[in-house]
Amino acid sequence: QKEVEQDPGPLSVPEGAIVSLNCTYSNSAFQYFMWYRQYSRKGPELLMYTYSSGNKEDGRFTAQVDKSSKYISLFIRDSQPSDSATYLCASDKAAGNKLTFGGGTRVLVKP
Amino acid sequence: NAGVTQTPKFQVLKTGQSMTLQCAQDMNHEYMSWYRQDPGMGLRLIHYSVGAGITDQGEVPNGYNVSRSTTEDFPLRLLSAAPSQTSVYFCASSYDGQGTYGYTFGSGTRLTVV
Repeated sequence: QKEVEQDPGPLSVPEGAIVSLNCTYSNSAFQYFMWYRQYSRKGPELLMYTYSSGNKEDGRFTAQVDKSSKYISLFIRDSQPSDSATYLCASDKAAGNKLTFGGGTRVLVKP
Repeated sequence: NAGVTQTPKFQVLKTGQSMTLQCAQDMNHEYMSWYRQDPGMGLRLIHYSVGAGITDQGEVPNGYNVSRSTTEDFPLRLLSAAPSQTSVYFCASSYDGQGTYGYTFGSGTRLTVV
């Protein structure tokens, strides 16, 4: 079993809809949680970074972490066609560089 | 700022050949790492470094070597290429030593081993 699980999708939504993405993890030692966006043939780009449980908001993006259920979420409001990409969740035990990634969810926002 | 620079962008190797993937960052980050990305597998950690002269193995280290002689550079060496090493390789860096964890990835090296 992978330590971080993510539905591969694809997830198709109409422009303007809310995109809801989720990951589950199994390692209780994970303390840091991140969401990356990856466009085709590009490197991952950090979207959101949170420590421990709670919510974090940045513009149209909201990240939630529930450590009691080992559940990570990302919400994208007012989705745009430019949000079409693969979204990767990642976790780490410490704030270092040993990230454990989920497999990624492909999102398609249709005009 | 150039960020994280990876070279080459594309490479085709024959089985048994060796090569070095280059990675350089200009953000004075202490941490650097190498990942490989395969379809359906996400990104998997190969090797990482928490500073010059310090390296350690990640999840899938076999067949790869690294060294970190400077803060800026973190090359990845394939010792004897195998078709199973066909993948997209990403270098990443983070942590400027000042409490800011900015994780930055390079644009990747697409490697095909035939």
